[in-house]
Amino acid sequence: GAVVSQHPSRVICKSGTSVKIECRSLDFQATTMFWYRQFPKQSLMLMATSNEGSKATYEQGVEKDKFLINHASLTLSTLTVTSAHPEDSSFYICSARARGPQHFGDGTRLSIL
Amino acid sequence: GQQVMQIPQYQHVQEGEDFTTYCNSSTTLSNIQWYKQRPGGHPVFLIQLVKSGEVKKQKRLTFQFGEAKKNSSLHITATQTTDVGTYFCAGRPNFGNEKLTFGTGTRLTIIP
Repeated sequence: GAVVSQHPSRVICKSGTSVKIECRSLDFQATTMFWYRQFPKQSLMLMATSNEGSKATYEQGVEKDKFLINHASLTLSTLTVTSAHPEDSSFYICSARARGPQHFGDGTRLSIL
Repeated sequence: GQQVMQIPQYQHVQEGEDFTTYCNSSTTLSNIQWYKQRPGGHPVFLIQLVKSGEVKKQKRLTFQFGEAKKNSSLHITATQTTDVGTYFCAGRPNFGNEKLTFGTGTRLTIIP
């Protein structure tokens, strides 16, 4: 089945650090990638949708200058959390889609001290 | 905006009992998907329903899509400990819109 790799799986860093998360579709070309955030015991909240070669579309309330998304190729999208603060601590999950359902990465657990 | 609610929020059942989670959307959906997320894991796609009134089965799991395409249900017969996790429905509002709105989820725990 379709495989989406997300790296790193866990990050612990100091406040003010910028953190980059990679999302790769390993065995298919993803026309669209999605970035979600999930707080403990809550649902997945869509942050942004990205298409290869174009600017990401951010959901209402998500700061595009805070969460930088680069979709460089049909198999790679990155999310950079700039100048992260404790309130940014969360589980970040990407998903990728060609045709059919979205396939999720394993997620990145981000902890800002 | 579109809202997708699920009930119940939590369900504790004895192993062997049945389990049902219900999903309701504030708007009509083009299709609905179901995902399972194990504790500490990521969502795993289970199934997609597209047609009004559609019913699909996967072994002990039965999925239904309502006639009005605004609600759906997942029923598990004779639960097993491997069924533990949070079940999310996710709806797509209309064709051509790739965004999925995830439901609030139902967390299932099994008492052995």
